[in-house]
Amino acid sequence: DGGITQSPKYLFRKEGQNVTLSCEQNLNHDAMYWYRQDPGQGLRLIYYSQIVNDFQKGDIAEGYSVSREKKESFPLTVTSAQKNPTAFYLCASTHQSKTGINTEAFFGQGTRLTVV
Amino acid sequence: QKEVEQDPGPLSVPEGAIVSLNCTYSNSAFQYFMWYRQYSRKGPELLMYTYSSGNKEDGRFTAQVDKSSKYISLFIRDSQPSDSATYLCAMISDSWGKLQFGAGTQVVVTP
Repeated sequence: DGGITQSPKYLFRKEGQNVTLSCEQNLNHDAMYWYRQDPGQGLRLIYYSQIVNDFQKGDIAEGYSVSREKKESFPLTVTSAQKNPTAFYLCASTHQSKTGINTEAFFGQGTRLTVV
Repeated sequence: QKEVEQDPGPLSVPEGAIVSLNCTYSNSAFQYFMWYRQYSRKGPELLMYTYSSGNKEDGRFTAQVDKSSKYISLFIRDSQPSDSATYLCAMISDSWGKLQFGAGTQVVVTP
């Protein structure tokens, strides 16, 4: 079945550590996104990528980094510079056809990151 | 000002009632509109996807888009306790830009 896989489901990080969250999709989608969701709040965009080897900062990129070496993969690294990393992280993807039409976005099941 | 505004609720309705949700937006470049349902601690799941102004119906769900007013709505008929969740609106522009979300509205359907 096609979809988006995020791993791990739960992740614990010590103070000062970098951690990497995985996002893989087999939908052949071009664009991928990372969002952060805090309790009772909406989704805030961290980074997005429209094509391989290219990505743009979202609204809250500080303390995060990404790479897009393959179309299927868009890993997110939460660095030690992110002062409040405890949150629910969601990865999404969309496809733009040759006619320029965007498809609906699909999400993974999320990674819950906790700083210990 | 946020590009997409959505009342966070909570919105409490009795079972069987119609749930009415809406979002407003400021960026006229948005052309594609989506509604998601998110249960606690889960990823959002797509409910409706629309492009043009007008109505789109799928079972108990109806999505409305009014591009002239920059206003979208989602209606849930015959609401069930299983509809209790957070509902998020989302939109994206023609030029393949950012996917922007509203804050999400928490809906509680009481038996």
